[in-house]
Amino acid sequence: DAKTTQPNSMESNEEEPVHLPCNHSTISGTDYIHWYRQLPSQGPEYVIHGLTSNVNNRMASLAIAEDRKSSTLILHRATLRDAAVYYCILRPLNSGGSNYKLTFGKGTLLTVNP
Amino acid sequence: KAGVTQTPRYLIKTRGQQVTLSCSPISGHRSVSWYQQTPGQGLQFLFEYFSETQRNKGNFPGRFSGRQFSNSRSEMNVSTLELGDSALYLCASSPVFSADTQYFGPGTRLTVL
Repeated sequence: DAKTTQPNSMESNEEEPVHLPCNHSTISGTDYIHWYRQLPSQGPEYVIHGLTSNVNNRMASLAIAEDRKSSTLILHRATLRDAAVYYCILRPLNSGGSNYKLTFGKGTLLTVNP
Repeated sequence: KAGVTQTPRYLIKTRGQQVTLSCSPISGHRSVSWYQQTPGQGLQFLFEYFSETQRNKGNFPGRFSGRQFSNSRSEMNVSTLELGDSALYLCASSPVFSADTQYFGPGTRLTVL
């Protein structure tokens, strides 16, 4: 199964943009890139997902490299409430979209300084 | 809409006992998945249910089982508890099978002594 690599931790200041990187060099053509985050004492929360093109939603933006071997989650203005563990995961489409192969790694612990 | 609810939120058991955890998905959601989260292994897939049928099962021993009811509520059971079963058990729901987005509950923290 394709795996993702993320930095263990990152730090940011409040109101500044944050770029969270993810490497997935063995991604297959039918793998979607998903990002979830987990706030302290809560279950994971969906953030954004994409296949090839960059994506934007109210929470964040996802920039996907042209060769799809890496992606970056962008939080445009970090707030204290964005402090969480961020997971970059690959979701194979050819498994019928089943969550069976939805594997979360260790993620990146984002600390936001006031 | 109310989110995914899980009961109980915290549970303490001793080795050898069994435990049943409950998950109520978001209203209208028919797919429920269960995950185990530990500091060492991260978040691992347990099983997935849709329309009362188990669609997939992760790499866990047979002591871990589950079921889904006609109202989409789901339960998971762990028999003959071991110390290593101490973990946060998360339930996630989605509207249909193979939906893009899962909505997670707050989890049940199980401690096995």
